[in-house]
Amino acid sequence: DAKTTQPPSMDCAEGRAANLPCNHSTISGNEYVYWYRQIHSQGPQYIIHGLKNNETNEMASLIITEDRKSSTLILPHATLRDTAVYYCIVRVPDNNAGNMLTFGGGTRLMVKP
Amino acid sequence: EAGVAQSPRYKIIEKRQSVAFWCNPISGHATLYWYQQILGQGPKLLIQFQNNGVVDDSQLPKDRFSAERLKGVDSTLKIQPAKLEDSAVYLCASSPTGYNYGYTFGSGTRLTVV
Repeated sequence: DAKTTQPPSMDCAEGRAANLPCNHSTISGNEYVYWYRQIHSQGPQYIIHGLKNNETNEMASLIITEDRKSSTLILPHATLRDTAVYYCIVRVPDNNAGNMLTFGGGTRLMVKP
Repeated sequence: EAGVAQSPRYKIIEKRQSVAFWCNPISGHATLYWYQQILGQGPKLLIQFQNNGVVDDSQLPKDRFSAERLKGVDSTLKIQPAKLEDSAVYLCASSPTGYNYGYTFGSGTRLTVV
């Protein structure tokens, strides 16, 4: 899987949008961008994924640049419960051999009152 | 649907002792993964099963770690003998096979080796 680069930590005020960047300059054409988050003492939780178009679900929005070399996860109205480590991962979404999720260090998002 | 179940939630053992962790994946998920997460780091894959067969165990320290999924459903991860550096959270995840978009993780077992 292609490697990703994320800032180690970010702060965000409660109620404001949290914008988490991710660089994946060596992404291949068939690799998707995934975002997971891990709240303290829990396992990672799937948030969203995308190939090249922007995506939105009930949790977040994913903006992928046209060249696909970077992306941004947007939490539109961050709450204290969004405090977590956010992982950006690129992979081919095929659960056969060699296509497992490989985690980096992630971004520790602290939402402050 | 029920999530991925793991037990125990916490375990404290002395070094050189043995320990076992259990995982029951989501019903129907053929693929099962064990990850190790050391404090402050992202999870690291130890082993991947598809049904009852091992797909990838290249990062499993086989001199002390073993895992099995005999009937293709639940799985056990064992450490024998444990070392201090094995202190970590052991996460189990499952997913359907084929073209799929996400894994579902359990809450993990926190192991402390003293």
